Amino acid sequence: QVQLQESGPGLVKPSQTLSLTCTVSGGSISTDSYYWSWIRQPTGKGLEWIGRIRTNGNTNYSPSLRSRVTISLDTSKNQFSLRLISVTAADTAVYHCVRESFGSSKWSYGLDVWGQGTTVTVSS
Amino acid sequence: QSVLTQPPSASGTPGQRVTISCSGGSSNIGTTYVYWYQHLPGTAPKLLIYRNSERPSGVPDRFSGSKSGTSASLAISGLRSEDEADYYCAAWDASLSGYVFGTGTKVTVL
Repeated sequence: QVQLQESGPGLVKPSQTLSLTCTVSGGSISTDSYYWSWIRQPTGKGLEWIGRIRTNGNTNYSPSLRSRVTISLDTSKNQFSLRLISVTAADTAVYHCVRESFGSSKWSYGLDVWGQGTTVTVSS
Repeated sequence: QSVLTQPPSASGTPGQRVTISCSGGSSNIGTTYVYWYQHLPGTAPKLLIYRNSERPSGVPDRFSGSKSGTSASLAISGLRSEDEADYYCAAWDASLSGYVFGTGTKVTVL
């Protein structure tokens, strides 16, 4: 059973860089059947999709965050990471790493495995 | 910002049927599949419905999804206390080249 676990600093200063890592256990991150995604939820607000990456290197990012975000894979460690630069208080949120399954299909089977989430607060 | 619109709340008594709507546009719901997620407080969101109306293994058949044009809906029949949660619709948006989530609906079991 695949499990995802987020890790990283819980507090980041304004204007600095937020960096989180997601460790995947129980399965390989190198399978081309999946996209590996990041989703966040600010306190009291709804879910916001940040972006995703596939083993072949394909990435997609939210237009509102594209200029500040990078998602990368480390297949040797079975991990993927999120990097968000120039953070502000508006980036304070619970950040989830998530698997999106495609199988051999063109169409998604959905965001089917979620990490528990990690809270990141942006404050001086 | 959310591109998909949901009612902020819905409620029902145990055993009742509750329906949640999700309104989008031609670049998202109108041309792609809709997904539904259940988010219980303090837990990770859970996939309830994929590809408009399919249920993952383990999701009770009390949950059903449908889509028509640029709108979709989630129905919960035989409402139970454990269904009290936030529910989100989601879809790929071809114009944005990214996923969009609904505004979320809080379901309360009276």
